[in-house]
Amino acid sequence: DVKVTQSSRYLVKRTGEKVFLECVQDMDHENMFWYRQDPGLGLRLIYFSYDVKMKEKGDIPEGYSVSREKKERFSLILESASTNQTSMYLCASTLAGGYNSPLHFGNGTRLTVT
Amino acid sequence: ILNVEQSPQSLHVQEGDSTNFTCSFPSSNFYALHWYRWETAKSPEALFVMTLNGDEKKKGRISATLNTKEGYSYLYIKGSQPEDSATYLCAFRGAQKLVFGQGTRLTINP
Repeated sequence: DVKVTQSSRYLVKRTGEKVFLECVQDMDHENMFWYRQDPGLGLRLIYFSYDVKMKEKGDIPEGYSVSREKKERFSLILESASTNQTSMYLCASTLAGGYNSPLHFGNGTRLTVT
Repeated sequence: ILNVEQSPQSLHVQEGDSTNFTCSFPSSNFYALHWYRWETAKSPEALFVMTLNGDEKKKGRISATLNTKEGYSYLYIKGSQPEDSATYLCAFRGAQKLVFGQGTRLTINP
């Protein structure tokens, strides 16, 4: 069965800390994505990657960076956490190319920045 | 800015009743329409990916229709059960990317 694993379910960090959110998929998918979910808003794309060492900005990349050193792993980095980055973060992956390929999601990381 | 709207935002339905909700999206540059179910404490799970105008898909008691000319899709649940309680997300795939609606939160009352 397809699996996307996010390293933490809940995280509490302080303002100004550097935060790493890790995501691993075991499906050999080329495409990986980071989204955030906030109440009343749809999932918003932060960054995505179509290949190893490749990254593209999504709709809300400010304050974030990403790393994809291996095909199966896509990390989201909050360089200096702020309270407005308190949110649910979802990682997803999908096969290359097809606009009709569904996303496979991880369980999410609920991050609280205090 | 692409606008994907879901209505209603939340819905309470009695167990056994049937229900439906709507996803509205741009009628131009259409590539695909995705539906996902997101249960509490779980990961969102793909229900359907629809690509053709007039498409109808079915999975058990859940079905979906697609009208790309007028820019809407309906999701139907027949004979709601408590396990149907979840947030249902639609996502419009245009030429560039996938854009999600804000979701419909469905609660089934026993």
